[in-house]
Amino acid sequence: AQKVTQAQTEISVVEKEDVTLDCVYETRDTTYYLFWYKQPPSGELVFLIRRNSFDEQNEISGRYSWNFQKSTSSFNFTITASQVVDSAVYFCALSGSGNTGKLIFGQGTTLQVKP
Amino acid sequence: DAMVIQNPRYQVTQFGKPVTLSCSQTLNHNVMYWYQQKSSQAPKLLFHYYDKDFNNEADTPDNFQSRRPNTSFCFLDIRSPGLGDAAMYLCATSRGHMNTEAFFGQGTRLTVV
Repeated sequence: AQKVTQAQTEISVVEKEDVTLDCVYETRDTTYYLFWYKQPPSGELVFLIRRNSFDEQNEISGRYSWNFQKSTSSFNFTITASQVVDSAVYFCALSGSGNTGKLIFGQGTTLQVKP
Repeated sequence: DAMVIQNPRYQVTQFGKPVTLSCSQTLNHNVMYWYQQKSSQAPKLLFHYYDKDFNNEADTPDNFQSRRPNTSFCFLDIRSPGLGDAAMYLCATSRGHMNTEAFFGQGTRLTVV
């Protein structure tokens, strides 16, 4: 069975603080992909990053960074110097067996960045 | 430029009255998905089309059907909406491989009265 757990339901920070969103996954597949999506109040899911199971290099994109650790089945997301526009629901997702791109989502973390 | 377009953004329907939600894409992707997202929950896949091949999730109620008349369009039909079907319905597309990201539309928020 595949499962994604985002233990943090809601996080509130003050602008310019750094914040880390946790994601833990379960899968029996040896090849799989992990994703982060952002869902602003408008509703659409915005793709942030994709990482495959064979690439454990950390990635940085501007104020965003991701830490993938297979040993702990975690794929955490850090926002540095948070801004009010970062306020949204963030979903971690897993795509594994089969070739259809089906996403298994975590429950999401609501991030509120206060000015 | 919107690439996955869902219409309408908001839909109100009566209990038991059939309703159809639509999705179109300009990406020419092979796969189109319908996800249901209830309030404060994660999106849950209902079904998807890989080209013309329809794939239903095991726990998707029979009340939900889908049509894909061509590559660009996909429809979600709810035959007899119940109060429990009120949700955001998200359409997504992908090229078809599990290593490619899915592109989502803005969703249709369905209210059942």
